[in-house]
Amino acid sequence: EAAVTQSPRSKVAVTGGKVTLSCHQTNNHDYMYWYRQDTGHGLRLIHYSYVADSTEKGDIPDGYKASRPSQENFSLILELASLSQTAVYFCASSPDWGGDTQYFGPGTRLLVL
Amino acid sequence: AQSVTQPDARVTVSEGASLQLRCKYSYFGTPYLFWYVQYPRQGLQLLLKYYPGDPVVQGVNGFEAEFSKSNSSFHLRKASVHWSDWAVYFCAVSIDPGYNKLTFGKGTVLLVSP
Repeated sequence: EAAVTQSPRSKVAVTGGKVTLSCHQTNNHDYMYWYRQDTGHGLRLIHYSYVADSTEKGDIPDGYKASRPSQENFSLILELASLSQTAVYFCASSPDWGGDTQYFGPGTRLLVL
Repeated sequence: AQSVTQPDARVTVSEGASLQLRCKYSYFGTPYLFWYVQYPRQGLQLLLKYYPGDPVVQGVNGFEAEFSKSNSSFHLRKASVHWSDWAVYFCAVSIDPGYNKLTFGKGTVLLVSP
């Protein structure tokens, strides 16, 4: 069965600090995604990647960077965390392309103070 | 750009009753459509997906959905709701080019009363 793990599961960060969220998948999937979930907004795509060492902007990339050093790992980086980035962040992977089933991690709760 | 609307933020259904959760999409062509479910404190899981073909799609745990191009809809149904169905349900759409991304609706919270 597909397995996507995220670390940390929760984090408290200070405004202006750097935050790195990590995602690891053992599915041998090419596609990986980062979403944020806010109450009343559903999930919104931040960045995605379809191959190692390459990332693509999603619908709300401002204030975020992404890194895909290997097929298994995909990180989301907040260089200067802001209060508005308080949210739950989900990582997902899919086998071939975005229209296929996406497998989600358990999420990371980020609180920026 | 494509969009997905779930008009009901919250739906309450008695256990054993039937269920319909509504989803409308905005896209000129034929999209690929999905329903995902999120149980408390968990990530999303796929319930079912529609690729062009039979408009009625069967999913897990007795869920089904029907695609209507004329109504731009993809409503989710279940004949008899169980208390364990208490969750948030998301409709999502994937379109050209490349179908590389999913766009999600805001979700519908399903509450099951005894």
